[in-house]
Amino acid sequence: DVKVTQSSRYLVKRTGEKVFLECVQDMDHENMFWYRQDPGLGLRLIYFSYDVKMKEKGDIPEGYSVSREKKERFSLILESASTNQTSMYLCASSVTVGTGRQPQHFGDGTRLSIL
Amino acid sequence: DAKTTQPPSMDCAEGRAANLPCNHSTISGNEYVYWYRQIHSQGPQYIIHGLKNNETNEMASLIITEDRKSSTLILPHATLRDTAVYYCIVIGGGTSYGKLTFGQGTILTVHP
Repeated sequence: DVKVTQSSRYLVKRTGEKVFLECVQDMDHENMFWYRQDPGLGLRLIYFSYDVKMKEKGDIPEGYSVSREKKERFSLILESASTNQTSMYLCASSVTVGTGRQPQHFGDGTRLSIL
Repeated sequence: DAKTTQPPSMDCAEGRAANLPCNHSTISGNEYVYWYRQIHSQGPQYIIHGLKNNETNEMASLIITEDRKSSTLILPHATLRDTAVYYCIVIGGGTSYGKLTFGQGTILTVHP
């Protein structure tokens, strides 16, 4: 089974702090994704990466950055946390097989509160 | 990616089959139908996907109509742990990346 592990289930930080969210997958997947999920807004893509050291902006990258130094690890960084970044953060990974779309597998999420 | 329509909620008795419908009338030829579910306070869980043939795995079966405008997810013997929000989504097979966008989904409640 695919295992996507997010470093924390719950996290509380203060406004202005630099926050690191870590995600590790154990299936040698090329693609990794960071989403946030908010009530009424659904799932929104922040950043994704299709290879080591490669990254692409999703729909809402402002205020975030990412790092992918190793294939199995994808980090999301909140440069200067703000209260509107309080959310559930979800990491996902998928494999690339030809042009067929392969399912994304998610971690359990990090519920981040910014005070 | 095509829009999907699902009923907001459904109930099912434990041990019975749960049949969750999804309409995707604007689906195009290279778009896949995916099903995910999300149990409260957990990450989404992939269930099954298909292009035009019916599919079955250890979790569920996916029945896609011949015109591909609708599909049904079947949980053959629902348990209490199947209570969750179920999302039907359509994703193009040729997109450069598979961004997921969940709609409102169907809240399935399995009763004892």
